[in-house]
Amino acid sequence: SQKIEQNSEALNIQEGKTATLTCNYTNYSPAYLQWYRQDPGRGPVFLLLIRENEKEKRKERLKVTFDTTLKQSLFHITASQPADSATYLCARSKAAGNKLTFGGGTRVLVKP
Amino acid sequence: AAGVIQSPRHLIKEKRETATLKCYPIPRHDTVYWYQQGPGQDPQFLISFYEKMQSDKGSIPDRFSAQQFSDYHSELNMSSLELGDSALYFCASSGGLAGGELFFGEGSRLTVL
Repeated sequence: SQKIEQNSEALNIQEGKTATLTCNYTNYSPAYLQWYRQDPGRGPVFLLLIRENEKEKRKERLKVTFDTTLKQSLFHITASQPADSATYLCARSKAAGNKLTFGGGTRVLVKP
Repeated sequence: AAGVIQSPRHLIKEKRETATLKCYPIPRHDTVYWYQQGPGQDPQFLISFYEKMQSDKGSIPDRFSAQQFSDYHSELNMSSLELGDSALYFCASSGGLAGGELFFGEGSRLTVL
């Protein structure tokens, strides 16, 4: 069965630096890879979606890449701010309207 | 803009009791999902509905059931509650002009004593 995994270790980063998070998957490429932000006790909030035929997507200070050769997606937060501190979840889905399977999440702490 | 509405936000039950969670999706969204998130874990898919019909099923216990009504709101019914059912339960919706992303509610926190 296909697995999707994130680095479970927390990422501590200095304000202003770029945070890079990794999401790896096994077997076949998911049709969609999605990234969500989750704050403690709150619902996940959608950030970016990238399709398997896309290489890169950007939204303001966020960038996501999709490398089907490495079977990996990278999520970048540039010019990080303390307000970016949260857990970031990557998730795969087979198609629009399909369930999401999450990769475990990576907690990011941006220090002033 | 309207978001996904869940109720109640907090619920405390005793073991073996029954609980019902409600979800009101974003208007014109055609798919509703239920997720369970235990402490320190990521959300686990339970069940989904497309146009009021069950569309997919995940790791939902037999003690749980769900349905989507004619007004598109959904309810998750949990019976014979166990301590391990204590978790955050999220409802999400998708569809309409959305591009495949899910919109999550703020969750219902269930505590079983």
